[in-house]
Amino acid sequence: QSALTQPRSVSGSPGQSVTISCAGTTSDVGGYNYVSWYQQHPDKAPKLMIYDVSKRPSGVPDRFSGSKSGNTASLTISGLQAEDEADYYCCSYAGSYTHVFGTGTKVTVL
Amino acid sequence: QVQLQESGPGLVKTSETLSLTCTVSGGSISSYYWSWIRQPPGKGLEWIGYIYYSGSTNYNPSLKSRVTISVDTSKNQISLKLTSVTAADTAVYYCARGGAGVFARRYDFDYWGQGALVTVSS
Repeated sequence: QSALTQPRSVSGSPGQSVTISCAGTTSDVGGYNYVSWYQQHPDKAPKLMIYDVSKRPSGVPDRFSGSKSGNTASLTISGLQAEDEADYYCCSYAGSYTHVFGTGTKVTVL
Repeated sequence: QVQLQESGPGLVKTSETLSLTCTVSGGSISSYYWSWIRQPPGKGLEWIGYIYYSGSTNYNPSLKSRVTISVDTSKNQISLKLTSVTAADTAVYYCARGGAGVFARRYDFDYWGQGALVTVSS
């Protein structure tokens, strides 16, 4: 059960869009529609932003969207804002009732 | 609003047992899965395992031999025990609502505690 692969960092200017990839295998991301995304500000607990690949919990801005193609899931932040600067982690169901997280991506707002 | 609060010793000696408790308020433990997730300093998240309110559990295969998660529904508490700890177990430990169990309707973690830093040192 290896961690899902995410880019170490992505950046964008306010108002721009950024996309974070989350690469897995057919045993996790590619095999199930159970990918979730979490935002984590420094020294804070993670916050659920997307679940079931593309669903947004109540209260999460619609600037955040999720998708999946094959073994790779993606989180897109449209209309980037200063408060979006944080670490982002994907998570997937990995079979046998287990979970696997991604390596994490730091989003920087220029 | 559901709230989770981790508690326990912040320092554990090498080879001993790490013990943490998560107290749930603002809602019942019943009908949900509850997970422990950890994050070593400066590193990513790792799922440790979950427990259903009924007591059924499932663990990360890499930690399975050392982990026990239990539940006390009368106190609305979930507990974690990790045996034979080393410096590699130094991390912030989070409890969270959710887990990919047989009866789960969702496979994500929607409520998290603030986390408890546990340092392992000799």
